[in-house]
Amino acid sequence: DGGITQSPKYLFRKEGQNVTLSCEQNLNHDAMYWYRQDPGQGLRLIYYSQIVNDFQKGDIAEGYSVSREKKESFPLTVTSAQKNPTAFYLCASSMHSRVEQYFGPGTRLTVT
Amino acid sequence: DAKTTQPNSMESNEEEPVHLPCNHSTISGTDYIHWYRQLPSQGPEYVIHGLTSNVNNRMASLAIAEDRKSSTLILHRATLRDAAVYYCILRDVRDTGNQFYFGTGTSLTVIP
Repeated sequence: DGGITQSPKYLFRKEGQNVTLSCEQNLNHDAMYWYRQDPGQGLRLIYYSQIVNDFQKGDIAEGYSVSREKKESFPLTVTSAQKNPTAFYLCASSMHSRVEQYFGPGTRLTVT
Repeated sequence: DAKTTQPNSMESNEEEPVHLPCNHSTISGTDYIHWYRQLPSQGPEYVIHGLTSNVNNRMASLAIAEDRKSSTLILHRATLRDAAVYYCILRDVRDTGNQFYFGTGTSLTVIP
């Protein structure tokens, strides 16, 4: 089945540790995105990539880093510099930058 | 992108139609109207989008006012699986970044 996978579904880390969230898609989409969602809030864009080896900062990129070495993969690293990392992280992809986005199931990160 | 205004919450009885309103009084001529929904603890799911004419698909219908300052998402027969947060988003077709601004949406409760 085609789709977007994110792993793991739940992730726990100690404060001060970097953590990498996985996002893989087999939809052959060029564009991929990372969003953050806090309880009772909408989604906020962290980073997006329109093509391999290229990515752009979204509204809240500070404390995060990404890479796009392969079309299918867009991992997000939450660094120790991110002041409030506990959140629900959503990855999405789209065929190109002007059409609907397809979302993965999300990773719920808890940092204590 | 222009902003949208939606009610925080709505209720509907099962198997009855649901009309979810969205106001977008500052919409521009190049803004598409997109609707997504998010089930609890899942990623958002694309529902429908349109520019000027009413649109229908297997999930819902989108009714767009003649002046385009408001729109309504119509679920023809609500089921318990339609309980979700519904987001109305404007997306400028000229924007190559494909950034979707998700607000807090309308939380739909379906009563059995």
